Amino acid sequence: DSGVTQTPKHLITATGQRVTLRCSPRSGDLSVYWYQQSLDQGLQFLIQYYNGEERAKGNILERFSAQQFPDLHSELNLSSLELGDSALYFCASSPGEDEQYFGPGTRLTVT
Amino acid sequence: GEDVEQSLFLSVREGDSSVINCTYTDSSSTYLYWYKQEPGAGLQLLTYIFSNMDMKQDQRLTVLLNKKDKHLSLRIADTQTGDSAIYFCAERMDSSYKLIFGSGTRLLVRP
Repeated sequence: DSGVTQTPKHLITATGQRVTLRCSPRSGDLSVYWYQQSLDQGLQFLIQYYNGEERAKGNILERFSAQQFPDLHSELNLSSLELGDSALYFCASSPGEDEQYFGPGTRLTVT
Repeated sequence: GEDVEQSLFLSVREGDSSVINCTYTDSSSTYLYWYKQEPGAGLQLLTYIFSNMDMKQDQRLTVLLNKKDKHLSLRIADTQTGDSAIYFCAERMDSSYKLIFGSGTRLLVRP
């Protein structure tokens, strides 16, 4: 158990819908990262927040957005969902610059 | 450019050593990581090495880094059936906090 929690574990929704994925980092970790794991793209970095501020952006679609709240938990919002958005979404947190600890992931299925 | 490559599959006999290889392209990588993913689970950080090191040992795990050839390897001594999983190599560049992952090597340990 890495100490990073993600909810929900599974999510099934229809195309065109919007969902919110939630992540609680390890106690004391200020940085939160979001990654997407799909069969065709592999593991891809989406976005990073540090203490509430966006720090880095990767291959995140405009339909996706994220935020980090004052209590340091983070949410990833996915809207206008398409079949290709079906994937595992991981959150990771880190205490500093080196280690990133991953949560168990949220499996999103878009039908 | 950012690219991390790994072989797709490795099969070893229980008790033998496993060596999983990885090559990366960006010479500005500062940290290189090995993660383990078991079926239906998240990514578990196994170990990581800073780019100014050649080797790091942690119990059954040995990481070797050849910075000149941009080659990273993970050796698992006395491989057990519980080591069967997908192993991901990842790099982090000095200019960014995001991790760039390889496609993963599936390790199968035969009894």
